Amino acid sequence: GENVEQHPSTLSVQEGDSAVIKCTYSDSASNYFPWYKQELGKRPQLIIDIRSNVGEKKDQRIAVTLNKTAKHFSLHITETQPEDSAVYFCAATTGTASKLTFGTGTRLQVTL
Amino acid sequence: DAGITQSPRHKVTETGTPVTLRCHQTENHRYMYWYRQDPGHGLRLIHYSYGVKDTDKGEVSDGYSVSRSKTEDFLLTLESATSSQTSVYFCAVETNLGEQYFGPGTRLTVT
Repeated sequence: GENVEQHPSTLSVQEGDSAVIKCTYSDSASNYFPWYKQELGKRPQLIIDIRSNVGEKKDQRIAVTLNKTAKHFSLHITETQPEDSAVYFCAATTGTASKLTFGTGTRLQVTL
Repeated sequence: DAGITQSPRHKVTETGTPVTLRCHQTENHRYMYWYRQDPGHGLRLIHYSYGVKDTDKGEVSDGYSVSRSKTEDFLLTLESATSSQTSVYFCAVETNLGEQYFGPGTRLTVT
């Protein structure tokens, strides 16, 4: 089955700096890669996703890049703000039904 | 919130007792999922459903069963709860675009 590795497990950045979280996947058939943000005690929330026919996708301060050859994808957050502090999860799936395989999460702390 | 509710939100139960968690959705999504979340493991798929009475196993299905008799409800049952099943359980639905949205979660403690 699919295996997703996520790094780093914790990340501390100063407000205004950029943050990058990286994930690798094992199944070359995976074609959908969502990212979730989870605040303490809350549900995971979908913040951005990318499909295998696209190399990069942006939404305001967040972007995701995908390298199918190397089987890795990354989340980029620019101009970080304290409210970006949360745990971020990457995931991968080969499609319908989208049985997501998740990474183990990155705890991002944005300090003032 | 994609119209997803879970009940109960919190439950404490004793080892060996049966437990049923309910996921209810209001938007007629075909696919529904049950995940468990544990520190160091992220979210792991327990079971999923691709329609009424159509279910299949996920990565960590041992000790769990599911049922879906109506489109809107997906039930997760622990036949005989064990301490290793102490976890936070999330239900999710999948939209027509393939995006998954999660319910608020159920925190289950097995003593």
